[in-house]
Amino acid sequence: DTGVSQDPRHKITKRGQNVTFRCDPISEHNRLYWYRQTLGQGPEFLTYFQNEAQLEKSRLLSDRFSAERPKGSFSTLEIQRTEQGDSAMYLCASSLAQQVPGDTQYFGPGTRLTVL
Amino acid sequence: GNSVTQMEGPVTLSEEAFLTINCTYTATGYPSLFWYVQYPGEGLQLLLKATKADDKGSNKGFEATYRKETTSFHLEKGSVQVSDSAVYFCALSDSQAGTALIFGKGTTLSVSS
Repeated sequence: DTGVSQDPRHKITKRGQNVTFRCDPISEHNRLYWYRQTLGQGPEFLTYFQNEAQLEKSRLLSDRFSAERPKGSFSTLEIQRTEQGDSAMYLCASSLAQQVPGDTQYFGPGTRLTVL
Repeated sequence: GNSVTQMEGPVTLSEEAFLTINCTYTATGYPSLFWYVQYPGEGLQLLLKATKADDKGSNKGFEATYRKETTSFHLEKGSVQVSDSAVYFCALSDSQAGTALIFGKGTTLSVSS
């Protein structure tokens, strides 16, 4: 079990550019989540998938944000036309859906985005 | 909507001191409650969880009890170590968004020898 991995770990971009982040969940996990964490705050939920279906996307911050999980394995998060306010740590987590409530989410190391 | 409130830090303690980090929540229904920890330079790790009222989660000497009557999930440890220095996040599962987590702002704990 190699854990959740994210790539890249750091991304520096100029305002107006598009960026894409990748997340590889724990292999047997069918749920995958994206969060954003800004300095001094707790993670903020953005969206999640169960297998390849995106079941909640209303919390995405704007229509510049989109996510995919085409084969139910890895996922990508894209931000179009980046703004300085998008600078943050983007976290991915995965879990195995269970019948009982409160499935445990395992977090990756995050991708730190800096928009200049 | 659902929310989590944690005591503000930083919390500074000497080794072997008793630790309490307060956490209260607002939620509809019966959420599960979690404590996550973030050590310096590392990712978020689950510390403990409780899925129903009066459950006690415990791990590595830390404990927290799900108190529905006071809507609280306070984190405690009887004797902290320098290695416990980290940021601690209280969280609840948001039933209105699948199993997404809602986090508090985090409490920084610094333990000195």
